[in-house]
Amino acid sequence: SQTIHQWPATLVQPVGSPLSLECTVEGTSNPNLYWYRQAAGRGLQLLFYSVGIGQISSEVPQNLSASRPQDRQFILSSKKLLLSDSGFYLCAWSVRGTGRDGELFFGEGSRLTVL
Amino acid sequence: SQQGEEDPQALSIQEGENATMNCSYKTSINNLQWYRQNSGRGLVHLILIRSNEREKHSGRLRVTLDTSKKSSSLLITASRAADTASYFCATDLTGGFKTIFGAGTRLFVKA
Repeated sequence: SQTIHQWPATLVQPVGSPLSLECTVEGTSNPNLYWYRQAAGRGLQLLFYSVGIGQISSEVPQNLSASRPQDRQFILSSKKLLLSDSGFYLCAWSVRGTGRDGELFFGEGSRLTVL
Repeated sequence: SQQGEEDPQALSIQEGENATMNCSYKTSINNLQWYRQNSGRGLVHLILIRSNEREKHSGRLRVTLDTSKKSSSLLITASRAADTASYFCATDLTGGFKTIFGAGTRLFVKA
């Protein structure tokens, strides 16, 4: 069966520090991968999605970046965090090739607090 | 901008009652999905309805889709306290790989 792992679960970082959130998927090949951010009590904002290794599409201009060094690994990074980067970050995957008709499978999320 | 907008933003009902949540969207879609999120957790997929379908059932869930009005509804029948969660509609846009979420409806079911 397929599983998705996301870490760390909780992170408290000072303004200006770097960030690295990791997500890995097991039990499937060539998934579409996604990073979403959720502000407190709000909906999900799509940040990045990837349809293959090294292929990253950015949805929102920001100081965040994403990379996909391996087929089932998706990394969210920042060189210098801002207060506004605080939030709940969710990684998700869907079956590749059916991006027009795909259920999303979510990780448990990473809660980032920037102080 | 948000593709989907849920209504109401919050809903409080008694156990055993039905809960209805609505979603409106703006552009052409391939499908519409409903997800559930318990507080502080990841989202869990509930049901998907394709653009050429009008109604779909799954257990106590009933989803309708009206593409002419660009709207969908989620009905949870005979609600339980365990149904307390946030519910989100999400749309897969025509021609793309993106799934866009609405702001969600927070459902509270009182025992």
